Amino acid sequence: GDSVTQMEGPVTLSEEAFLTINCTYTATGYPSLFWYVQYPGEGLQLLLKATKADDKGSNKGFEATYRKETTSFHLEKGSVQVSDSAVYFCALSEGGYNKLIFGAGTRLAVHP
Amino acid sequence: GAVVSQHPSWVICKSGTSVKIECRSLDFQATTMFWYRQFPKQSLMLMATSNEGSKATYEQGVEKDKFLINHASLTLSTLTVTSAHPEDSSFYICSARDDGGVTNSPLHFGNGTRLTVT
Repeated sequence: GDSVTQMEGPVTLSEEAFLTINCTYTATGYPSLFWYVQYPGEGLQLLLKATKADDKGSNKGFEATYRKETTSFHLEKGSVQVSDSAVYFCALSEGGYNKLIFGAGTRLAVHP
Repeated sequence: GAVVSQHPSWVICKSGTSVKIECRSLDFQATTMFWYRQFPKQSLMLMATSNEGSKATYEQGVEKDKFLINHASLTLSTLTVTSAHPEDSSFYICSARDDGGVTNSPLHFGNGTRLTVT
């Protein structure tokens, strides 16, 4: 069945460092891909999405490109801030937002 | 923005007892809500789709008699873990779609409930 694999955390970075969180997927069809973020004490929030191959989702300085050839959707940010400290979840869906399949989540800690 | 309130945020119960978790959409109506479960260092797993006024749709492998879902109004879904056992200890998260949102609008998530069964 469909699945999502993302790098284990925690990822610890200094402020202004470059961030990459790897995400790969397996799917039978052509899924939509998502990154969700969970800040401490809050619910999951949609960070960005891409619905077809080569699409780039971007938001708040984060971006990810839907790579069909490598079945990947890696999350990147050029310069992280302390406020980016959170848990990031990669997810896919073959039918809109209904049946989201999540990765295990990657905790990011950014230090001043 | 749209808020989903989940209560309680954490609960400890004894083996054999039942626990109810509430999921409320505070400022929107939600015909459809979803319940997820997350084990430590593992993915969120969809347990069931909760539909207002009708029976929930459970994912394969989820015991419907153990995880009772009731969606009696457009703003409230409840998940009851019946006769809880230590293996039911987990993090339970609900999400909801805004009925008034655009087609294929994103889900809004609650903060989750940490259940510990002793």
